[in-house]
Amino acid sequence: QLQLRESGPGLVKPSETLSLTCTVSGGSLVTSNYYWAWIRQPPGKGLEYIGRTYYSGSIYYNSPLRGRVSISVDMSKNQFSLKLNSVTAADAAFYYCARLHMESHHFDYWGQGILVTVSS
Amino acid sequence: QSALTQPPSASGSPGQSVTISCTGTRSDVGAFNYVSWYQQHPGKAPKLLIYELTKRPSGVPDRFSGSKSAYTASLTVSGLQAEDEADYYCSSYAGNNNLVFGGGTKLTVL
Repeated sequence: QLQLRESGPGLVKPSETLSLTCTVSGGSLVTSNYYWAWIRQPPGKGLEYIGRTYYSGSIYYNSPLRGRVSISVDMSKNQFSLKLNSVTAADAAFYYCARLHMESHHFDYWGQGILVTVSS
Repeated sequence: QSALTQPPSASGSPGQSVTISCTGTRSDVGAFNYVSWYQQHPGKAPKLLIYELTKRPSGVPDRFSGSKSAYTASLTVSGLQAEDEADYYCSSYAGNNNLVFGGGTKLTVL
């Protein structure tokens, strides 16, 4: 059974960089037909698509965060990562990693999520 | 403001049917049949319920069904059960690699 798990600091200072990693187990990140994505959800609010990567590094970022966000892949560790720089209070959220079906554009496996708070 | 519009709340009694709408534009819901629905219980990650407008992943009860008319997609939950009380989100492909979500609907089972 495929599993995804987010890890990283739960507290980031304003203006600093948020860094999270998603570890994929029970399957390989190196697979056709799927992207690997990040989604976030401020507490009590809706979902926001951050972006996705293919195992080979083809990357897309959703426009509101473009310029501050980067997603990368480490095939040797079966992990992909998210970096968001210059964070503000508005970036405080649950961050989820997920597998995204390439052709039908749905998220079929999700991590449990990790809460990131932005505070000095 | 979310790209897709969902009612903030919906409710129904056990055994009844409830339909949740998801309204987009000619650029997303109206242009593609790549609409998916997710169920999220408090403190949990979203779970895929419906994909490609009408398809259910293995393990999702057939009480959940999806449809679309013009720019509005809908999720119908038939035979409401207490465990269906959750937040529901729609998502649509919007072209050029972009995906958009609805703002979510809180379903209450009375």
